[in-house]
Amino acid sequence: EAGVAQSPRYKIIEKRQSVAFWCNPISGHATLYWYQQILGQGPKLLIQFQNNGVVDDSQLPKDRFSAERLKGVDSTLKIQPAKLEDSAVYLCASSRFGSYEQYFGPGTRLTVT
Amino acid sequence: DAKTTQPNSMESNEEEPVHLPCNHSTISGTDYIHWYRQLPSQGPEYVIHGLTSNVNNRMASLAIAEDRKSSTLILHRATLRDAAVYYCILNAGNNRKLIWGLGTSLAVNP
Repeated sequence: EAGVAQSPRYKIIEKRQSVAFWCNPISGHATLYWYQQILGQGPKLLIQFQNNGVVDDSQLPKDRFSAERLKGVDSTLKIQPAKLEDSAVYLCASSRFGSYEQYFGPGTRLTVT
Repeated sequence: DAKTTQPNSMESNEEEPVHLPCNHSTISGTDYIHWYRQLPSQGPEYVIHGLTSNVNNRMASLAIAEDRKSSTLILHRATLRDAAVYYCILNAGNNRKLIWGLGTSLAVNP
């Protein structure tokens, strides 16, 4: 089966600009996750969707970050406006309903200058 | 959320077994123990998980202490491709949310 797809793979923007990331999960996976991974740290969960509903967004900085999952399939994560500290790899993962096994995409490396 | 403690780094030789330890002294009765690994410049990859009994799969074995306050991930024959950061993670049985620590960086020598 095809894995989790993410685009773009790399993005460089200036602070205060906007950026959007796209994720296509594995077909049939009901749960979708967005993580932020700063260099040298483990991933931090930003938001979790179950189909197209939000299960957990407690660590999403809602003043600048937003995410949506239309029709319970693809998802986009947006940052507006970006700050220097947003420089990180943004990982998307998906899992079957009720499963602990998460499948990760390759990530998008964001550099904010 | 229950926390885990892992060594920052470990080293192994190719084709030898590797035992990666994890301490989780505050684990509760419903917490599952998960292991993921992250190869350089890639997203994390699921390795194994368990609750009380030891678990085996094609990638590794998970040995869980009788009091569940520690566990060990066992790679039976390390290869160069096993060089990665290994994360030991706990989460409650009814919560699929994973809280990631810093993990153990494993180097494999040829």
